[in-house]
Amino acid sequence: AQKITQTQPGMFVQEKEAVTLDCTYDTSDQSYGLFWYKQPSSGEMIFLIYQGSYDEQNATEGRYSLNFQKARKSANLVISASQLGDSAMYFCASQNPSGSRLTFGEGTQLTVNP
Amino acid sequence: ETGVTQTPRHLVMGMTNKKSLKCEQHLGHNAMYWYKQSAKKPLELMFVYNFKEQTENNSVPSRFSPECPNSSHLFLHLHTLQPEDSALYLCASSQGAGLDQETQYFGPGTRLLVL
Repeated sequence: AQKITQTQPGMFVQEKEAVTLDCTYDTSDQSYGLFWYKQPSSGEMIFLIYQGSYDEQNATEGRYSLNFQKARKSANLVISASQLGDSAMYFCASQNPSGSRLTFGEGTQLTVNP
Repeated sequence: ETGVTQTPRHLVMGMTNKKSLKCEQHLGHNAMYWYKQSAKKPLELMFVYNFKEQTENNSVPSRFSPECPNSSHLFLHLHTLQPEDSALYLCASSQGAGLDQETQYFGPGTRLLVL
């Protein structure tokens, strides 16, 4: 079984600053995937970034980067140059080797202040 | 982004009603999923369909009945629900090819209130 822990229920950041959202995972699988999703108040889950367990480089997608520390089992999301539209819930998730199951954390509510 | 659509977006039903949620994906995917998101709880996987066959049922009560007539459509039939079933129901789809990166793309969800 996989487990995701997001220890920050809420985070605040000033517009244009960078913010790090924490995620730790627990899995006995040798191969797994890690995802971050954004959920605005409208409800839709928006895929942001993916990191494979065998990827040696940290994943980046525009203003999003994933700080992957395999030995510590952490996969923190870094958002650079925060924008007001970044205010949302952010979920970290892990994927089992067969790809059929995503296990989500409880999420972090990010608020970007002007 | 209209890759995955869900109808209705909002639903209020009594405990004796029967209703259905519909999900349609326009991404050419072969796997579809139902998730339940209750307040202050992580998303819970309910059902997984791969090439129209149900591959996972995550101990979901029988008052929830899924149907997948083809790879593009997924339904969730609801009957004799309980107030604790009130939640956001999210549908997702993915390639379903067993890839290392099996990204799931979500619909906007149906907000269900059971009275």
